[in-house]
Amino acid sequence: SQQGEEDPQALSIQEGENATMNCSYKTSINNLQWYRQNSGRGLVHLILIRSNEREKHSGRLRVTLDTSKKSSSLLITASRAADTASYFCARAPNAGGTSYGKLTFGQGTILTVHP
Amino acid sequence: EAGVTQSPTHLIKTRGQQVTLRCSPISGHTSVYWYQQALGLGLQFLLWYDEGEERNRGNFPPRFSGRQFPNYSSELNVNALELEDSALYLCASSPPARGSEKLFFGSGTQLSVL
Repeated sequence: SQQGEEDPQALSIQEGENATMNCSYKTSINNLQWYRQNSGRGLVHLILIRSNEREKHSGRLRVTLDTSKKSSSLLITASRAADTASYFCARAPNAGGTSYGKLTFGQGTILTVHP
Repeated sequence: EAGVTQSPTHLIKTRGQQVTLRCSPISGHTSVYWYQQALGLGLQFLLWYDEGEERNRGNFPPRFSGRQFPNYSSELNVNALELEDSALYLCASSPPARGSEKLFFGSGTQLSVL
């Protein structure tokens, strides 16, 4: 199965609520990244968390990483209708291996925020 | 500063034809990556070019190929198109020697194979 699986596959909430998306992976990582995609167009980088970090914040975004459980979560607080998009986690392998340079994306979580 | 630009934005081809997609990275970026996103699926890594060399390749058949030019722009070529090649093809770039760091994506080329 794919690395970097997200859940849930779809999430529907009201404006002002918090949205939490989870990502699991199977092999060791250098870092884990979260991206956002609007309407099937290009992805926008949101945040990167390194394997030696446990939590990172950026504006309304909070990302946690648990390397022992091989999982990460993305929390969007006080969501807005404009946050409606697909969110992907991407696993970055360690340097030097055959997977170097390959970000492995999950299938994404479709977030819908209702006004 | 201009972002990653891809052309064309949309393309319709028939089975068996060949297609070339183009990508210009952000100024100063030497690495270019190609990803395929089929409908309803996540992104699948295709190719990584850096300093004109192919650095890594995903699990795609040889009819998917590409190159990077001295100005760091890149082309993705797909020969003998098949129906399942219909997808959004995304190009991304990154600064030198940053193979697994933040990627900057273009808006993609939507390829439809009929």
